Amino acid sequence: DPKIIQKPKYLVAVTGSEKILICEQYLGHNAMYWYRQSAKKPLEFMFSYSYQKLMDNQTASSRFQPQSSKKNHLDLQITALKPDDSATYFCASSQDISGGPYEQYFGPGTRLTVL
Amino acid sequence: AQSVTQPDARVTVSEGASLQLRCKYSYSGTPYLFWYVQYQRQGLQLLLKYYSGDPVVQGVNGFEAEFSKSDSSFHLRKASVHWSDSAVYFCAVTNSAGNKLTFGIGTRVLVRP
Repeated sequence: DPKIIQKPKYLVAVTGSEKILICEQYLGHNAMYWYRQSAKKPLEFMFSYSYQKLMDNQTASSRFQPQSSKKNHLDLQITALKPDDSATYFCASSQDISGGPYEQYFGPGTRLTVL
Repeated sequence: AQSVTQPDARVTVSEGASLQLRCKYSYSGTPYLFWYVQYQRQGLQLLLKYYSGDPVVQGVNGFEAEFSKSDSSFHLRKASVHWSDSAVYFCAVTNSAGNKLTFGIGTRVLVRP
């Protein structure tokens, strides 16, 4: 059974629209993360959460907003979508953040295409 | 700031041959190093990690990596590759505070039959 679920697997959006990427983990972890993989670029850290609190934000744009309704959920809301937002977005989780390091486990990703 | 360099964008090897993938990191504190593999259209899977101790660490599927502090490197090796090892391999570094992973650009490995 998949331990980290990301929905949807593929997503096509028009410029200016808003989308929510879903992530749920069933590993019992306390920390969750979002990373972005754009073409020709390394995977890029976006956010980290611990016990549903934002720990680190490396995303300059406020158009990207994580939402954590439960400890094992960390969704990513993206508003005013731009073609440059096209990428695969990976959710990850780890046992914790502080006092680590801790291995991070990754979900299968959501591939977003903005037209 | 931490960074990871993977100088080889693509590597092609024949099945049964040995493989080495290079990784150089830049980090001023104590680095914690990882190798992840991404099979086509899948998420990342952890191959191995180095925190401290023996500089040679064993991972899954016959992979191993060697940490060198003097060289700031964490190269990945496999003695004999299989066609199923075709994938993209990522080297990553983090610290103990924040657990944020910094990745290299990845090396695409193609194993020829």
